[in-house]
Amino acid sequence: QKEVEQNSGPLSVPEGAIASLNCTYSDRGSQSFFWYRQYSGKSPELIMSIYSNGDKEDGRFTAQLNKASQYVSLLIRDSQPSDSATYLCAVANAGGTSYGKLTFGQGTILTVHP
Amino acid sequence: GAVVSQHPSRVICKSGTSVKIECRSLDFQATTMFWYRQFPKKSLMLMATSNEGSKATYEQGVEKDKFLINHASLTLSTLTVTSAHPEDSSFYICSARRQANQPQHFGDGTRLSIL
Repeated sequence: QKEVEQNSGPLSVPEGAIASLNCTYSDRGSQSFFWYRQYSGKSPELIMSIYSNGDKEDGRFTAQLNKASQYVSLLIRDSQPSDSATYLCAVANAGGTSYGKLTFGQGTILTVHP
Repeated sequence: GAVVSQHPSRVICKSGTSVKIECRSLDFQATTMFWYRQFPKKSLMLMATSNEGSKATYEQGVEKDKFLINHASLTLSTLTVTSAHPEDSSFYICSARRQANQPQHFGDGTRLSIL
């Protein structure tokens, strides 16, 4: 059973702070990792994709991947109230009949308060 | 950016009705499309994987005769919920991707309410 684990939160940070979201996965052969943001009642929106170890930055977002530790994280700098949403970690399955399918974590609810 | 259009956004209908949902990739050719269902405060549950020109692959526990999927072209997949009942009420979301290991891009979802 391939699993993706996230702390469901809620994670509450003040406006302007750094929000840190974490995710672990069980399939050591996984190659592709994604962070999606989902506002209440809406569909997921791709925030970041990361494929190799290290950091990847895009604006206020930084994704970090450590395959040895089977860990991926998302940092949001200068958090804004509009960042308040559920953040879904998704891992693409490595092979077999499930190749390329995404396994989602349960999501972390982030609240940024003014 | 990659745009996926899903239609309709909301359906309310009587029990026993069949409902068809369309998913289109507007600016790229999607070799694979996916259909998900999401219940309130739960994560996405994959229902089936749809490859253009071939039969859909359904996840365990999803009735293929209940949820008919057609992927007639590289830009269009449809999900038909046949003889819908109140327990089929949910948020149905499609996604599309260009190639394996590429990100999936999601449509806006269809909120289905069966009375």
